[in-house]
Amino acid sequence: NAGVTQTPKFQVLKTGQSMTLQCAQDMNHEYMSWYRQDPGMGLRLIHYSVGAGITDQGEVPNGYNVSRSTTEDFPLRLLSAAPSQTSVYFCASSLGLGDYGYTFGSGTRLTVV
Amino acid sequence: AQSVTQPDIHITVSEGASLELRCNYSYGATPYLFWYVQSPGQGLQLLLKYFSGDTLVQGIKGFEAEFKRSQSSFNLRKPSVHWSDAAEYFCAVASVGAQKLVFGQGTRLTINP
Repeated sequence: NAGVTQTPKFQVLKTGQSMTLQCAQDMNHEYMSWYRQDPGMGLRLIHYSVGAGITDQGEVPNGYNVSRSTTEDFPLRLLSAAPSQTSVYFCASSLGLGDYGYTFGSGTRLTVV
Repeated sequence: AQSVTQPDIHITVSEGASLELRCNYSYGATPYLFWYVQSPGQGLQLLLKYFSGDTLVQGIKGFEAEFKRSQSSFNLRKPSVHWSDAAEYFCAVASVGAQKLVFGQGTRLTINP
């Protein structure tokens, strides 16, 4: 099993550009989430999904869109990148949150200039 | 709302010394509690979790944590640290039936030789 795969690993964007961060898992997990990690702030939840076709906002959703058309994939879209979105982004998945916790991808380091 | 506080931003210990990382949570009912470790440039790895039963839980890499309801704490311990334990450690909480984890700000652990 590959686990949770995130692409790309690194990305530099110009302000105003759009892009999609890809996340795929091969564990048949229903729960998937996107977090951003900033120094001194831990991980903050952007969006999450409890199954295909179901998504909801987390703590910091502004500027980001998600969709979940399949169980395996949960892409994160930046609509118009801003320097404040410079961060490390983690995708995570879980079979059942309470009993299992999350399995994390290795992250995407995004810089917006 | 759930919240997690890790009071220590940075801790330095000598190799072979004991370690305790503090975590306090705020939640009305018995939560699911987790400790994750993040090595530099890597994703998060689950160390251990608690949701019921024995309040002292054992994890991977020789770590353990103790749930104390009266103190709303879930401190992580290790009797003797190794240089490879240098990393950032995150405490996280989820409510029963919740679809998301709330993370603390993280504690960076440095090991002196």
